[in-house]
Amino acid sequence: GENVEQHPSTLSVQEGDSAVIKCTYSDSASNYFPWYKQELGKGPQLIIDIRSNVGEKKDQRIAVTLNKTAKHFSLHITETQPEDSAVYFCAAYSNSGYALNFGKGTSLLVTP
Amino acid sequence: DAGVIQSPRHEVTEMGQEVTLRCKPISGHNSLFWYRQTMMRGLELLIYFNNNVPIDDSGMPEDRFSAKMPNASFSTLKIQPSEPRDSAVYFCASSSQGVATEAFFGQGTRLTVV
Repeated sequence: GENVEQHPSTLSVQEGDSAVIKCTYSDSASNYFPWYKQELGKGPQLIIDIRSNVGEKKDQRIAVTLNKTAKHFSLHITETQPEDSAVYFCAAYSNSGYALNFGKGTSLLVTP
Repeated sequence: DAGVIQSPRHEVTEMGQEVTLRCKPISGHNSLFWYRQTMMRGLELLIYFNNNVPIDDSGMPEDRFSAKMPNASFSTLKIQPSEPRDSAVYFCASSSQGVATEAFFGQGTRLTVV
């Protein structure tokens, strides 16, 4: 089945700096890659997603890039703010299964 | 819409007892997922329903776990008998068009089995 690896597990940046989280996947048939943000005591919430026919997608301060050849995708957050502090999960979906396979998460801390 | 509603938010039970977690998906969504979240294993899919029919239950740990979706607006996850290793946060999520679309998660149920 699909295996999603996520790095780093923790990330601390200063307010205003950029943050990058990277994920790799194993199933070359994967075609949907969402990113979820989970705040303390809440369920994960989708922040951005990308499909395999696109190499990059942006939404204000966040962007995701996808390299299908290398089977990795990344989340980029620019001009970080304290409210960006949360746990971020990447995920991958392949038509060969039914599950959305999640990475183990990255705990991002943005310090003022 | 109020979003995905789960109850209870917290549950503490003794080993061996039956536990029932409840979920009301977003109205109009035809896909429902139950996930379990632990520090060790992260987010794991337990079961996926489409149009109230279980499509994939390969993630259900063992026979102690069962899930039902009697109608489009209600689902339950039951653990009988419960064990301490079942302690986790259980999330219900729903989506409008299957797996490869945005899933809306509930607030979760934190289960502690002592």
